[in-house]
Amino acid sequence: DAKTTQPNSMESNEEEPVHLPCNHSTISGTDYIHWYRQLPSQGPEYVIHGLTSNVNNRMASLAIAEDRKSSTLILHRATLRDAAVYYCTFRSYNTDKLIFGTGTRLQVFP
Amino acid sequence: DTGVSQDPRHKITKRGQNVTFRCDPISEHNRLYWYRQTLGQGPEFLTYFQNEAQLEKSRLLSDRFSAERPKGSFSTLEIQRTEQGDSAMYLCASSLTGSNTEAFFGQGTRLTVV
Repeated sequence: DAKTTQPNSMESNEEEPVHLPCNHSTISGTDYIHWYRQLPSQGPEYVIHGLTSNVNNRMASLAIAEDRKSSTLILHRATLRDAAVYYCTFRSYNTDKLIFGTGTRLQVFP
Repeated sequence: DTGVSQDPRHKITKRGQNVTFRCDPISEHNRLYWYRQTLGQGPEFLTYFQNEAQLEKSRLLSDRFSAERPKGSFSTLEIQRTEQGDSAMYLCASSLTGSNTEAFFGQGTRLTVV
């Protein structure tokens, strides 16, 4: 299975933008890039996904490199409720299963 | 629909006992996944179903683990002869078929083996 690499932790101040990077050099051409986040004692929650083009939704934006070997999740204005572990994952074309790494723990300071 | 629900939320069991967890997916979702998560780690894939068919099992899933999804609706995950190393959060997720769809996770069942 392809792997992702993310920084272990990042910090941000409230209302500042946050850029969470992810490297996925072994991604296959048909795998979708998905981002999930997990709050303490809860299951992961979907954030956003994309294949090649940049994507925006109400929660975040996803910027995908042209060679698809990396992507960046952008939170435009961090809030205290955005403090969570963020996982960059693949969704395999054949099985749809999500392969998780260890994620990035985001701390947001008031 | 209230999302993916898992029962129980917490389970404490003695080593050597059998335990069974239940997952109720979102009703129209044909894919159902089980994951295991230990402290500080991301969820690890265990197995998944397409309707009632179990299509893949991870090597993490030893012979003591079995999962079923009768009639393609709810699913159960059974662990026989539990060991302390089985202590973890067990997560269930469901989705429609397709890698461009989002998966919905339950809140998990936290298993503690004493």
